[in-house]
Amino acid sequence: DAKTTQPPSMDCAEGRAANLPCNHSTISGNEYVYWYRQIHSQGPQYIIHGLKNNETNEMASLIITEDRKSSTLILPHATLRDTAVYYCIVRVEARAGNNRKLIWGLGTSLAVNP
Amino acid sequence: DGGITQSPKYLFRKEGQNVTLSCEQNLNHDAMYWYRQDPGQGLRLIYYSQIVNDFQKGDIAEGYSVSREKKESFPLTVTSAQKNPTAFYLCASSTPSSGYTFGSGTRLTVV
Repeated sequence: DAKTTQPPSMDCAEGRAANLPCNHSTISGNEYVYWYRQIHSQGPQYIIHGLKNNETNEMASLIITEDRKSSTLILPHATLRDTAVYYCIVRVEARAGNNRKLIWGLGTSLAVNP
Repeated sequence: DGGITQSPKYLFRKEGQNVTLSCEQNLNHDAMYWYRQDPGQGLRLIYYSQIVNDFQKGDIAEGYSVSREKKESFPLTVTSAQKNPTAFYLCASSTPSSGYTFGSGTRLTVV
């Protein structure tokens, strides 16, 4: 199962872009990269996912390198409410059935400062 | 609105007691999951269920039990055999083409 590596913590000034890196050097060709965030004492919230093309939605952008060994989540204009733990996850196939069993690391604790 | 409801939000248990955590979803998702999260740690999978009447052990199933009698419901029982049950418990659901949708969690404390 592919694993991910993220820096344990990062700081960002309010209004600036927050760029959160993730390494997934053992990712397989059919594995997606998912990003979630967890605000303290709440359930994780889905942000975005991608396979090999860059993706953008109303929350963030996901940049995946050409070799797919790393990716960056970009929050274009960080606000104080973006302070959370951000998880980068590679989706693996479950042993049975079509649903996926995700492997969670420790994530990056992002602090957005005023 | 569709979503996942976990109850209660806070739960206190005496040592030696079994307790059951509720998880209900109205998203029509086939798969459901239970995770445990300890302070400063990532999520660890306890049990998961692909379809009704079927479930598999995750990485830390010892001391826990589940049932999946209805598609909408996936309750988790923390038994007295679980040696360190104090933790934050998260329920989630998914479909093959989607990511996970999580509940708001239940914080269990043994007193």
